[in-house]
Amino acid sequence: QSVVAQPPSASGTPGQTVTISCSGSSSNIGSNPVNWYQGLPGTAPKLLIYSNTQRPSGVPARFSGSRSGTSASLAISGLQSEDEAEYYCEVWDGSLNGPVFGGGTKLTVL
Amino acid sequence: EVQLVESGGGLVQPGGSLRLSCIASGFTFSSYEMNWVRQAPGKGLEWVSYISSSGGTRYYAESVEGRFTISRDNAKNSLHLQMNSLRAEDTALYYCARVWGSRSYYYGLDVWGQGTPVTVSS
Repeated sequence: QSVVAQPPSASGTPGQTVTISCSGSSSNIGSNPVNWYQGLPGTAPKLLIYSNTQRPSGVPARFSGSRSGTSASLAISGLQSEDEAEYYCEVWDGSLNGPVFGGGTKLTVL
Repeated sequence: EVQLVESGGGLVQPGGSLRLSCIASGFTFSSYEMNWVRQAPGKGLEWVSYISSSGGTRYYAESVEGRFTISRDNAKNSLHLQMNSLRAEDTALYYCARVWGSRSYYYGLDVWGQGTPVTVSS
């Protein structure tokens, strides 16, 4: 079980906004920026959000991130069928000397 | 094109060894810190090991400490993971991934390989 917790599943209909949460501790989220990845079936994870709120080049503005205290969130607005994927939060953990991933949230577009 | 290509995975018996490799291209490999990350069947992502750009600093997940060794050859643009005393729970798809930023200013893993599968079974 990961030290960073995510809900195992989330769902929404096309056009809706869905939010995925990520809860950690003072040694990880509380002291380091959070990153988010999208994992599509059969492909390597893709960096979606870095430094809590920043989008790498090419990531649509529909994806946004936030952090408050020891928690972070990923919001996906204008939900599309191709957004159906696994989403992982990730943060450097100073006590582990490495990044720690959340358990992942499987997003279903109904 | 920036690319990472892993190889070396396969089927191995419990207690056996494997050496994974990752060849980088399209960027200055020696300037980047690197990681190995794995994903067991039906499970989430798990960080395995980190190595600094020079190779002088290495970290391991507790689950592999003492059994796995990460290394790199900057002259050959290659990253390696020597895996010894393998267990069934090491069965996973192993990815090499590039650090964006650094350990001190960590922006995540921005380039990933396609992964190489490791199966530990008798």
